[in-house]
Amino acid sequence: EMQLVESGGGLVQPGGSLRLSCAASGFTFSNYWMHWVRQAPGKGLVWVSRIKPDGTRTDYADSVKGRFTISRDNAKNTLYLQMNSLRVEDTAVYYCARVERWFDPWGQGTLVTVSS
Amino acid sequence: QSALTQPASVSGSPGQSITVSCTGTSSDVGGYNYVSWYQQHPGKAPKLMIYDVSNRPSGVSNRFSGSKSGNTASLTISGLQAEDEADYYCSSYASSGSYVFGTGTKVTVL
Repeated sequence: EMQLVESGGGLVQPGGSLRLSCAASGFTFSNYWMHWVRQAPGKGLVWVSRIKPDGTRTDYADSVKGRFTISRDNAKNTLYLQMNSLRVEDTAVYYCARVERWFDPWGQGTLVTVSS
Repeated sequence: QSALTQPASVSGSPGQSITVSCTGTSSDVGGYNYVSWYQQHPGKAPKLMIYDVSNRPSGVSNRFSGSKSGNTASLTISGLQAEDEADYYCSSYASSGSYVFGTGTKVTVL
């Protein structure tokens, strides 16, 4: 069974940093583009970032460009999202997802709260 | 990249059919047959319901169907059931190399 499990969320002050992890199992992780999607409380889904299977290409939403960095370790079947210069508006549940034109599977999500 | 436009809410009685629309541009929905639909129950992760406009993953009820015309994609739920009450989101690949989601639609079973 394909599974994604996120971790690393928590409470952080504005301007702080946090690194999210997403552990994959049940499929050949190194063959797939991987993405991060976030959902602010009570709001809709917003695409955040993606990374090519071999890690040589990354793309970001304008709202996080220059502050967030996506990376992966194919030997550890793990996806990461390094989040720096966090803002109150980055508060959201962050999901990782495997993508082949569609998002499936999704992780259970990890909550990031940016507040003083 | 602007979000795709969906109606905020759609409702129907058990057994009825409803349709949720998803309107984008020629740079996303209209330009690619890479539209997908997701169901999300409160507090849960999204679940893939339709991919590549009209394909259903294994395990998804055939009461769910998808289509596209021009810049607008649609999700139809036939034989509406209480368990279908949830939020629904569309998504499309975009020419910028990113993906875009819809604004979301709350489906209510009356």
